Amino acid sequence: SAVISQKPSRDICQRGTSLTIQCQVDSQVTMMFWYRQQPGQSLTLIATANQGSEATYESGFVIDKFPISRPNLTFSTLTVSNMSPEDSSIYLCSGTTSSSYEQYFGPGTRLTVT
Amino acid sequence: TQLLEQSPQFLSIQEGENLTVYCNSSSVFSSLQWYRQEPGEGPVLLVTVVTGGEVKKLKRLTFQFGDARKDSSLHITAAQPGDTGLYLCAGFSGTYKYIFGTGTRLKVLA
Repeated sequence: SAVISQKPSRDICQRGTSLTIQCQVDSQVTMMFWYRQQPGQSLTLIATANQGSEATYESGFVIDKFPISRPNLTFSTLTVSNMSPEDSSIYLCSGTTSSSYEQYFGPGTRLTVT
Repeated sequence: TQLLEQSPQFLSIQEGENLTVYCNSSSVFSSLQWYRQEPGEGPVLLVTVVTGGEVKKLKRLTFQFGDARKDSSLHITAAQPGDTGLYLCAGFSGTYKYIFGTGTRLKVLA
């Protein structure tokens, strides 16, 4: 298994600013993902964070809006750029181990944009 | 586009009742996972099923993977208030990413 932490746990930001969310894993993971979730609803995959290369984005998400870094096998960041109230959501990172592809989640970052 | 539909969307039951949550797709998945999420936390993995027809039990929870690996079910026996949460299924595809189901919000009343 893997234990994943995220920082910050929550933030309130002004429209037009950017926020970088950090995701730290206590062990090396094969793959890391970033999701968005509205409270009580399902998860939407934003992108797969690839170590040492550009992230792979899902339809509807672009690098200019959600730049992602993954400098090593245990750390990744997601930046939400030029924020608007529509970006208010919970952002979750996850990692999978190579042995079983089981996915472990961080506690999430609750973002509110005013 | 791969979709996973869960039913029901919402379920409110009394403590001690049994329930079943369904997760259906037209796509085949190499494995399927079930998660439970409580408010303010990330989803927590409950089980992974891999083989068509596989049945796994976790205390009062029974998970089944369909023979064709397109659907799954979660059965809870004698539900307790601690079972309250958002239940999510997720299919793992050959493209190395997870497709999440639409979610089932369960509330168990004492």
